[in-house]
Amino acid sequence: AQTVTQSQPEMSVQEAETVTLSCTYDTSESDYYLFWYKQPPSRQMILVIRQEAYKQQNATENRFSVNFQKAAKSFSLKISDSQLGDAAMYFCAYRSPWGAGNMLTFGGGTRLMVKP
Amino acid sequence: EADIYQTPRYLVIGTGKKITLECSQTMGHDKMYWYQQDPGMELHLIHYSYGVNSTEKGDLSSESTVSRIRTEHFPLTLESARPSHTSQYLCASSGGQDLAFSGNTIYFGEGSWLTVV
Repeated sequence: AQTVTQSQPEMSVQEAETVTLSCTYDTSESDYYLFWYKQPPSRQMILVIRQEAYKQQNATENRFSVNFQKAAKSFSLKISDSQLGDAAMYFCAYRSPWGAGNMLTFGGGTRLMVKP
Repeated sequence: EADIYQTPRYLVIGTGKKITLECSQTMGHDKMYWYQQDPGMELHLIHYSYGVNSTEKGDLSSESTVSRIRTEHFPLTLESARPSHTSQYLCASSGGQDLAFSGNTIYFGEGSWLTVV
């Protein structure tokens, strides 16, 4: 079974600065998908960025980028020019292309606080 | 924003009551999911469905039940609610028609906050 670990329960960043959230995972599969989801307080879980394991190029979405290290099974999220609206819980998730339901395996989450 | 809707968003009910949490999606997704999440904690899969008339239990044991009579609808029912059922319930869906993401990205509803007193 796959496991996803987020070792930072809480992180804090100054507005306009850059912050990196860590995620490691354990799998024996060679092909899979990785995601970062953002969950603002009492609001919808929103997809931030996704990465296919077969792609070497790191995914980028505006101010959000990942550092995908397949050999190290690491998938960190970098948020540049942090904004107050970035404050939320961030969940790293793994998805196998196989298996029942193709469900996501989530990490425990990292609470990001943005200081004005 | 994804087209997946949950009702009610917030509910407070007494112990022993029956409750159904509704979830509907308009994306034609074949797969649907229910996750349970305590405040500030990780998500746990409790039910999923491949399609109509298909339901399976997830990783976390739950006393709730689900049904999938229509593609777009995946309600979750608690026959007799208890305080231990107090939690947030997140519905999600994914499907092959999501051409923007070949990995079948999972989209989430806004969640239903259930409090049993």
